[in-house]
Amino acid sequence: GAVVSQHPSWVICKSGTSVKIECRSLDFQATTMFWYRQFPKQSLMLMATSNEGSKATYEQGVEKDKFLINHASLTLSTLTVTSAHPEDSSFYICSAPDPGRLYEQYFGPGTRLTVT
Amino acid sequence: RKEVEQDPGPFNVPEGATVAFNCTYSNSASQSFFWYRQDCRKEPKLLMSVYSSGNEDGRFTAQLNRASQYISLLIRDSKLSDSATYLCVVNRGDKLIFGTGTRLQVFP
Repeated sequence: GAVVSQHPSWVICKSGTSVKIECRSLDFQATTMFWYRQFPKQSLMLMATSNEGSKATYEQGVEKDKFLINHASLTLSTLTVTSAHPEDSSFYICSAPDPGRLYEQYFGPGTRLTVT
Repeated sequence: RKEVEQDPGPFNVPEGATVAFNCTYSNSASQSFFWYRQDCRKEPKLLMSVYSSGNEDGRFTAQLNRASQYISLLIRDSKLSDSATYLCVVNRGDKLIFGTGTRLQVFP
């Protein structure tokens, strides 16, 4: 089946620095990818929709200047957490829709971010 | 009101038990419904889609009631390996909206 990878799988950074997370579709093309965030014991919250070749669309309450999304190719989307703070520590997961099934998505393994 | 609501549990059941999870959703325009399973510190994995007529996959049965905007998942003959968080998922356009999940713990 289709595979989505994420890199890094975990990262620790200092407060005030920026962190980039990559999401790749390995054997299929994805014009759209989705970014989620999950805090402990909470559900996945959709942050934004990444669109290849155009601007990302953000969910209400998500700061677009803080969470920069770039979808430069049909297999790669990146999420950059700028000026990270401890409250940004979370599990970030990306997904890409199944090319043949509109509402089914393949999820990456997630990136655990810890900001100290 | 949350778009997708679930009882967070936990549900603690012995091996072999039957357990049912419920979920309600608020968007009447939703067309696609799923149950995902998430193990601790892992990404969610699709367990099964939910169809209007109800569907079964081995020990798992999913039901959908569009009039009540209600989805259920029944697990029969629970195994220790079924211990996980079960996420009810509904589409909003091309996006997937996740419920908070119901935690299941199966004990020997």
